[in-house]
Order: sequence, then structure tokens, then C-alpha cells
Amino acid sequence: SQQGEEDPQALSIQEGENATMNCSYKTSINNLQWYRQNSGRGLVHLILIRSNEREKHSGRLRVTLDTSKKSSSLLITASRAADTASYFCATDDYKLSFGAGTTVTVRA
Amino acid sequence: GAGVSQSPRYKVAKRGQDVALRCDPISGHVSLFWYQQALGQGPEFLTYFQNEAQLDKSGLPSDRFFAERPEGSVSTLKIQRTQQEDSAVYLCASSWTSGSTDTQYFGPGTRLTVL
Repeated sequence: SQQGEEDPQALSIQEGENATMNCSYKTSINNLQWYRQNSGRGLVHLILIRSNEREKHSGRLRVTLDTSKKSSSLLITASRAADTASYFCATDDYKLSFGAGTTVTVRA
Repeated sequence: GAGVSQSPRYKVAKRGQDVALRCDPISGHVSLFWYQQALGQGPEFLTYFQNEAQLDKSGLPSDRFFAERPEGSVSTLKIQRTQQEDSAVYLCASSWTSGSTDTQYFGPGTRLTVL
């Protein structure tokens, strides 16, 4: 069974716009991770946020975590065509539990 | 350096056939994971190895699924008497340790289609 649920299921934006997607999870976590998957590069780790952190940045990525609401968000700023992919949140306790993902399409 | 590799990349099997999927983890990685990803879904955990020891096989869907990592490096996932519902992408991942903050590096996957 899958721990996380991403919202929305799909997102289409213009190049240069920001993309925001959300993740809700069911049980207490140690960490929450975000992954990207596209046909060219497979599943790639983007960022990890620990349960005692509220916000984390990596390049054009910003992740927030609200453990009281059991939710996280991923913001991609100034999107590019290369950001077109499916994005997954995953909770971990050594094995990863993924949501169903958000499919992001960035239009040129 | 080389990442995680998997072979074959694509496999078509007739229902009832046995298949074997191979994973070559990053050299030196202690932990190895197998995941199954159905179309339009996120990956789901199948099994976990620490070196040659299979410490968790709770995600294997039936006794037709078997995984091994006899020398603590290469792993093979075997599916006996394949069924149509086994059609999916099978992903292998490895990490240095089993720590929860350890990044898992994924291979490109094997897409299995059972006719």
C-alpha cells in the first residue's frame, strides 16, 4: 500500500512559471523525500527533508514539511522544459513508500 | 562512476513462463532494494537486502516471486509462472547503508510485459 498521495495528479504550466505540488502521508515519518522520474533518466532523488525541518532549498527547488498536517509541498521555480517529469514524494524507514505522483508538463 | 544497471531493459513473457531480472548495484553499496511500479503508479517496495542477507521480503506479492543476492553484490529477482498482473516495471535501487537518510540510487528498470 502507498503511504503518500500527491496532489494534483497532473499539472501543465508555461516555461518560466512556478509549479507547486503537494503530498499528504498517513503515519509518522523520519524523513520525507522527493523524487523525479522521466523516461530519459529514470527515478532520481531530488531532496530529503527531515521530520524536524520545516523548509529546505536546493537550487530551484523548495520543499516544505508540516508534520502536524502530515503534508509536504514541492515548489519548482522558473520551470524549464527539462522539468517535464513525474514527481513523487516518499516516506522512508529504510524502505521507501511512494505516492502515485504528480505529472508535470512544462510547455515551451 | 557507473550507476545501478539492470538487465534486460525489456522482457516479454508468455503467461506461465519463468523470468529472471538482474540488478548490478553501485560497487560497494551494502543495501539493495527491489520495487515494482505499475503503470501510472508510484513504485512499491518488494524486498530488501543488506549484503547477502534478505532482511525484508514483506512486499513480495506471492510465493512465485523470489529474490537472491548470493555474494552481496548482484541480485536477481525471479518470477515463476508469470501472470498478466505481473506486468510492470521492476526497479532496483542501492544505497551505501540502510540508514533512513541514505539516498537510494535507482536503476533504469526492467519493463516486464506478460502476454
